[in-house]
Amino acid sequence: DAEITQSPRHKITETGRQVTLACHQTWNHNNMFWYRQDLGHGLRLIHYSYGVQDTNKGEVSDGYSVSRSNTEDLPLTLESAASSQTSVYFCASSAEWGGELFFGEGSRLTVL
Amino acid sequence: ELKVEQNPLFLSMQEGKNYTIYCNYSTTSDRLYWYRQDPGKSLESLFVLLSNGAVKQEGRLMASLDTKARLSTLHITAAVHDLSATYFCAVTEGGAQKLVFGQGTRLTINP
Repeated sequence: DAEITQSPRHKITETGRQVTLACHQTWNHNNMFWYRQDLGHGLRLIHYSYGVQDTNKGEVSDGYSVSRSNTEDLPLTLESAASSQTSVYFCASSAEWGGELFFGEGSRLTVL
Repeated sequence: ELKVEQNPLFLSMQEGKNYTIYCNYSTTSDRLYWYRQDPGKSLESLFVLLSNGAVKQEGRLMASLDTKARLSTLHITAAVHDLSATYFCAVTEGGAQKLVFGQGTRLTINP
């Protein structure tokens, strides 16, 4: 079955370190998204991509970057982790314009 | 900028009761989604509403959309414990492929 997987599922890191969260989908969806989830804020969009070599900033993109070198993967990098980036991160993909999102299982990141 | 607001944010209710969760959004949009999230889990799509007056039902949950009022409702009928979860509405931002989410409503159903 097609799916979307995230790794690692849990990570603890220190302030200032670079961290990369992986997202891999096997649906061949063009559209991929990274959200962070924090209590009281719902899900907020970090970055998104509409296809290979395309990346766009979301509403909370500062301190994060993404790259899209193939259809299946959209890794999220925190260049220099900060405590404010402690959160649960969800990757999602969709097949069509404004279409239903299919979510990964989430990656819980703690920055000490 | 599209804003999506849900209320209530927390809801505790007893089994067998009916209740409604509201989702308001600030600008025109052409589709609205409802998602469910169990604690520590991912989000699961429940409904997609595409037009004014759209109504979708699945079991004890019914969602509706009023695009003129920019309002969607998720109605729970005769609640059961298994419906305890956090429910999110999400709206497409006009002309874009991205979804903007509400804050979520944490629903607890007590026996």
